[in-house]
Amino acid sequence: GAGVSQSPSNKVTEKGKDVELRCDPISGHTALYWYRQSLGQGLEFLIYFQGNSAPDKSGLPSDRFSAERTGGSVSTLTIQRTQQEDSAVYLCASRVVRFNEQFFGPGTRLTVL
Amino acid sequence: GIQVEQSPPDLILQEGANSTLRCNFSDSVNNLQWFHQNPWGQLINLFYIPSGTKQNGRLSATTVATERYSLLYISSSQTTDSGVYFCAVELVGNEKLTFGTGTRLTIIP
Repeated sequence: GAGVSQSPSNKVTEKGKDVELRCDPISGHTALYWYRQSLGQGLEFLIYFQGNSAPDKSGLPSDRFSAERTGGSVSTLTIQRTQQEDSAVYLCASRVVRFNEQFFGPGTRLTVL
Repeated sequence: GIQVEQSPPDLILQEGANSTLRCNFSDSVNNLQWFHQNPWGQLINLFYIPSGTKQNGRLSATTVATERYSLLYISSSQTTDSGVYFCAVELVGNEKLTFGTGTRLTIIP
């Protein structure tokens, strides 16, 4: 079956613009995660959706970052008023149930000029 | 918060050599995964191994949860094994992965 997919694969934007990143998890996976990978910070957790529960937003670095998951499937990560320090690879992961392994998408490389 | 330390940070080997990568973590975990990040940035799942030993071809892994470490063994290395290897753990009661800083493996033909 298909793995986790993300779009776009690359995004270049100007400082101050808003961007939306999309994640399609593996069909049937109840949990969806966003992480980001940057040179200075390594791989870090951003936000987590589990079924119909309230999302765990504890990793979002500022209120410019938000995410939603519609219909328990597709998720969109939105970054408003982008800054150069937002440049990173944004990775999405999903898994079937709690405490099982997570599977990652190919990522979206965001460059803020 | 939980600390996840990987060693060595860099490893350069000749093709055919064997290697051992280590992951130490500072607290009890529900989940431990090993990933290989290929040159295109994709994280490839290698092992889901919160405890015990698993083998998959030339790769094997062992996690000793009571002593808070995991080892990844790569035998008969190939150039395609090059890349960064990450260990990631999920704390008990905390359903998100915390990643180590990785081991960069370079296999020379």
